[in-house]
Amino acid sequence: AQKVTQAQTEISVVEKEDVTLDCVYETRDTTYYLFWYKQPPSGELVFLIRRNSFDEQNEISGRYSWNFQKSTSSFNFTITASQVVDSAVYFCALTGYGQNFVFGPGTRLSVLP
Amino acid sequence: KAGVTQTPRYLIKTRGQQVTLSCSPISGHRSVSWYQQTPGQGLQFLFEYFSETQRNKGNFPGRFSGRQFSNSRSEMNVSTLELGDSALYLCASSGLAGLNTGELFFGEGSRLTVL
Repeated sequence: AQKVTQAQTEISVVEKEDVTLDCVYETRDTTYYLFWYKQPPSGELVFLIRRNSFDEQNEISGRYSWNFQKSTSSFNFTITASQVVDSAVYFCALTGYGQNFVFGPGTRLSVLP
Repeated sequence: KAGVTQTPRYLIKTRGQQVTLSCSPISGHRSVSWYQQTPGQGLQFLFEYFSETQRNKGNFPGRFSGRQFSNSRSEMNVSTLELGDSALYLCASSGLAGLNTGELFFGEGSRLTVL
């Protein structure tokens, strides 16, 4: 069975601090896909990134970066120089061919001014 | 390109009633999935439809049902509502046909309160 763990329930940082959100996954599949979503107070989940199991290159998009390590089954997400608008709940998710998406419990990030 | 549209956004029902929620996916997307989000259980998969066929179903009782129409619009129905059904119901569509590995595009959800 697939499983996603986000051990950090809530994180609070002060604006401009860097913050890393952890994600650990479990799967028996050799081909799988990992995602990060952001859920602002409005409720809609916003897609941030998709990564397949064969691509371990780290990715950077503006202030966001992702570190995928198959050896530790982790797909961590770092926000550099956090801003108040980054305050949201962040979900890590996992899926495979013909399988349902499995979401982690989410990490609530509060960025204080 | 219009996003995923869910209606109604908010609704209040009483125990024993039934409710129907609607979801219009992004134009061209044929896969629609539904999720229940509660503070205690997080995001839980309900079911997924592709080309009017239910492909996957989560671990929910038979009171939860859904369908998809030929235009890819989907509805979900909950009968004999219970207090525990109070939740945010999220619909998502995907354009990656048949593989279920593409990113999901979510609507803003329908927030159901059962009194």
